[in-house]
Amino acid sequence: DTEVTQTPKHLVMGMTNKKSLKCEQHMGHRAMYWYKQKAKKPPELMFVYSYEKLSINESVPSRFSPECPNSSLLNLHLHALQPEDSALYLCASSQVLQGNNSPLHFGNGTRLTVT
Amino acid sequence: GIQVEQSPPDLILQEGANSTLRCNFSDSVNNLQWFHQNPWGQLINLFYIPSGTKQNGRLSATTVATERYSLLYISSSQTTDSGVYFCAVVNFGNEKLTFGTGTRLTIIP
Repeated sequence: DTEVTQTPKHLVMGMTNKKSLKCEQHMGHRAMYWYKQKAKKPPELMFVYSYEKLSINESVPSRFSPECPNSSLLNLHLHALQPEDSALYLCASSQVLQGNNSPLHFGNGTRLTVT
Repeated sequence: GIQVEQSPPDLILQEGANSTLRCNFSDSVNNLQWFHQNPWGQLINLFYIPSGTKQNGRLSATTVATERYSLLYISSSQTTDSGVYFCAVVNFGNEKLTFGTGTRLTIIP
């Protein structure tokens, strides 16, 4: 079982909906990540939080809005998405940022479909 | 940015066979990880191995940092080994993990 928990597992939403993806870890990790993965492609980094502060934003459109309420929780708020945003959204965590000796642990992902 | 190429892109093997997956990278790295993504999408960290050799059961990995490649060995393959194997690296002075192109492994009973 993964130690990074993501909810929901599946989400279908319309283009006018607002929804949120949630991620939780209790390993004491101080870096948390959102990745997006399209079919048959590697994961692509979206956002990185380090010590609850946004450290990296990979020029992600503003219809994706991350939030880190505390060191264990990471949310991704979704609004006015497009069908091409349909993908597997993966949360990950590590002790500290990836420039150091810090393996990455992934959650099981949320499979998002935008209709 | 750093380029990460994996080979072969696809591999189909009979159960019980051994395999070697390769990861080449274009710059010096201080972080290299191997992941297995199962058919349900779950990504499992197999090894953190910026240099040297590690073993975990039927899996082992070797990274030769000076020659910019890493190898993942799978022995006595089982059907549960099927999925996509990614290597991912961080080059010096960077904080971002760059994923390779992946190797899709299919183990046939």
